[in-house]
Amino acid sequence: GQQLNQSPQSMFIQEGEDVSMNCTSSSIFNTWLWYKQDPGEGPVLLIALYKAGELTSNGRLTAQFGITRKDSFLNISASIPSDVGIYFCAGPYSGGGADGLTFGKGTHLIIQP
Amino acid sequence: NAGVTQTPKFQVLKTGQSMTLQCAQDMNHEYMSWYRQDPGMGLRLIHYSVGAGITDQGEVPNGYNVSRSTTEDFPLRLLSAAPSQTSVYFCASSYSLVPAVAFFGQGTRLTVV
Repeated sequence: GQQLNQSPQSMFIQEGEDVSMNCTSSSIFNTWLWYKQDPGEGPVLLIALYKAGELTSNGRLTAQFGITRKDSFLNISASIPSDVGIYFCAGPYSGGGADGLTFGKGTHLIIQP
Repeated sequence: NAGVTQTPKFQVLKTGQSMTLQCAQDMNHEYMSWYRQDPGMGLRLIHYSVGAGITDQGEVPNGYNVSRSTTEDFPLRLLSAAPSQTSVYFCASSYSLVPAVAFFGQGTRLTVV
């Protein structure tokens, strides 16, 4: 089945630093999604990517859809305390139907004061 | 506009008991899905529905039933709860197959003892 591998698993950074994380897939995706999850909450969509090579920004966040269609990257510039949380990449689940997503295991971002 | 609403937020069950997790959305989305999230894991797709009367299995469907009698509601039934079903359950809805953008509820934390 599909596998999404996210790295790193966790990051300990100082406030103000830039953050980079990535996600690779065992198969080609036509859509890449990046979600953030705060403690006790459901995931919230940050950025959606629909085309290979696409680079999309949302405030301090920038994500790219890899040319091979098997990877994606998320960058956060000038991190602030509210960036703390778990970041997930996701793509369409291809288990036979058309709906649903498959998720990576997440990158846990921790910001040290 | 409430978005995706899940009830209850917390539940403790004894092994062998049955229960229904409720999910309702008020965005008139055709597509709804259920995920479970275990520690250190991303979300895994349990069941999904592409419209009223149509459901299908996801990645981890065993031990769960779903039905979709209306566009708004998509309940998840645990037939005979097992400790392995201890998890946080998220319901999501999507307005379109492509892009496969899902909006999540706040989750139900279920413990089976």
